[in-house]
Amino acid sequence: DAKTTQPPSMDCAEGRAANLPCNHSTISGNEYVYWYRQIHSQGPQYIIHGLKNNETNEMASLIITEDRKSSTLILPHATLRDTAVYYCIVRGPNTGTASKLTFGTGTRLQVTL
Amino acid sequence: EAQVTQNPRYLITVTGKKLTVTCSQNMNHEYMSWYRQDPGLGLRQIYYSMNVEVTDKGDVPEGYKVSRKEKRNFPLILESPSPNQTSLYFCASSWVWRGDYNEQFFGPGTRLTVL
Repeated sequence: DAKTTQPPSMDCAEGRAANLPCNHSTISGNEYVYWYRQIHSQGPQYIIHGLKNNETNEMASLIITEDRKSSTLILPHATLRDTAVYYCIVRGPNTGTASKLTFGTGTRLQVTL
Repeated sequence: EAQVTQNPRYLITVTGKKLTVTCSQNMNHEYMSWYRQDPGLGLRQIYYSMNVEVTDKGDVPEGYKVSRKEKRNFPLILESPSPNQTSLYFCASSWVWRGDYNEQFFGPGTRLTVL
């Protein structure tokens, strides 16, 4: 699975959009981009995933560049409860270990008043 | 409610005293996995199971055992715990890969301290 690079930390004011970048320059054509987050030592939580099209769900939007070498997770109106570590994970479809997730160190997002 | 449960949530034990951390899921998932999380090292996979009676090593299996006798349960066994196994442990489950969508559900974590 491709390696990802994320900034170690970011700040965002409550109510503003939080834009979390992720670089995955070695991504292969059949690899997906997944985002998870972990709030204060709780179990990680799935947010969103995509292949090449932009995706949106009730939690966030995922913007993937045309060359797929980077992506941005957007939380449109961040709240204090969005303070967490956000992990960008790239993984392929039918790997031998099927569902293994390889977590990096993620981005620690701090939402402030 | 779809969930993964772990017990106990907190455990303090002594070196060499066998312990078991239970994990159970109610979503009929085939895949289950154990991770440990340590500061600066992120989450690392210990063992995983693709289905009943099928288990395999992850990245850091030394000192751990698992079993998968039933689909819903995947206990983690430390037969002789050592201080370097002090960590935060997470159990997770999901469907075996089906197309692109494969959300993995995590339990609340078990904080283990080995003295």
